[in-house]
This record gives sequence, C-alpha cells and structure tokens, in this order.
Amino acid sequence: QVQLVESGGGVVQPGKSLRLSCAASGFTFSNYGVHWVRQAPGKGLEWVAVIWYDGSNKDYADSLKGRFTISRDNSKNTLYLQMNNLRVEDTAVYYCAREDLAYCGGDCGYYFDYWGQGTLVTVSS
Amino acid sequence: DIQMTQSPSSLSASVGDRVTITCRASQSISTHLNWYQQKPGNPPNLLIYAASTLQGGVPSRFSGSGSGTDFSLTISSLQPEDFATYYCQQSYSSPRSFGQGTKLEIK
Repeated sequence: QVQLVESGGGVVQPGKSLRLSCAASGFTFSNYGVHWVRQAPGKGLEWVAVIWYDGSNKDYADSLKGRFTISRDNSKNTLYLQMNNLRVEDTAVYYCAREDLAYCGGDCGYYFDYWGQGTLVTVSS
Repeated sequence: DIQMTQSPSSLSASVGDRVTITCRASQSISTHLNWYQQKPGNPPNLLIYAASTLQGGVPSRFSGSGSGTDFSLTISSLQPEDFATYYCQQSYSSPRSFGQGTKLEIK
C-alpha cells in the first residue's frame, strides 16, 4: 500500500536549519510529483513547495523562496525539505503529499491522493 | 498566484442537515478544484476532485459542483463523522493554493 512517512521534525532555535525527509513506499516514486504542505497550530493548510517526478522542476511559495529547498532522491524513494534561517512563524506540521493526475473524462487537473502523517517543526528560543 | 476563498469559515449544523460550503477562485480554474476533509490530528483526506468527481470510498452524500471561479461542496444529510474541517484546493496552476478552511461543528 502507498505510504509516505515524514521525519526530521523537532524543536529548533530561530535562525537555525532543519532537514525534513519523506520516505515513500508502495508505488513507483520516480513517476510522481510530490509536494510539501504545512499547517501551523490551529490554522489552515499552506502549500510550501513541489518537485517534479524527475527533479527537473521545482516551485516554492513566494514567502519561502530563498530559505527552503526541496529535493528528492529517486534511488532512495525519498523527498527532502531543507529549511534554513528558520523563523517562529515556520512552526507547523509539515506534510508530504503525492500528486496524481485526475481522470474524469476530460481536463481534470491533479489532486493530492496520499499524504503522510506529518512531522512537527517547532521554532522557538 | 490564484487565491482561494471559502465561505463560511465556520458552520454549525445538526445531524441530518443539508449543508453547502462555497469556494471562489480569484481567476478561472476550469474544473481543477479539489475538496479535502480533515479531522484533528490527521492529514487531509481527498473527497472530491475535478470539482465534481467523488473519490473512491467517499459516501455519496458528498457532492461537488461548479466551474470557472465558483464552486460548492454539499453534504446532503450530515452524519456524526462528517464534523470536520473542509478545504478547497486548486490544481490549475502553480503555486497550488488552498482555501482557508470551513470548520463544520455540531449544533
């Protein structure tokens, strides 16, 4: 069965760095784009970043560009998020999510069909 | 970037009620609109994709409609397990974006 398992979260001081990982299993990881989505405590979902199936393309939320870097290692079936110069407002549960092409008989877009359970990042002095 | 606006932000309803949540995109997104349900302590769960297609295993009391900029999620007869937070999300372009969420509470 499809599984996404995040790790690497924890408590970190402002200005420090952290790298999150998302281990994928149960599907051909190299065939899918994958995203990071975060959720601050008691708040809504915020899209963070995407990386294409082959790593050739990446995109980030404007507010995070320059501090966060998404990457993947298809030989290890693993997605990463390098977070630098962390701020208190980066405190959140970070989810990885697989994106698949929707099939509906027409132009259907994409959807996040599988999510990990999330890893909590707390930025605090 | 495409902004997604949901309404209402919260909603109180009773078991058996019919409820509708709306989502508006800041520009046309065709039918590239998904709905997710999230319960406390859990990741979001896909309910509807392409505006109106029910994800496998999702009860038929959930339905979605709309195209262009205006969309809605309807639950025809609320069940106890439906009390949760609902999010719309566009997949028309990057960056992907979510609505701010609608918390559905028991009256």
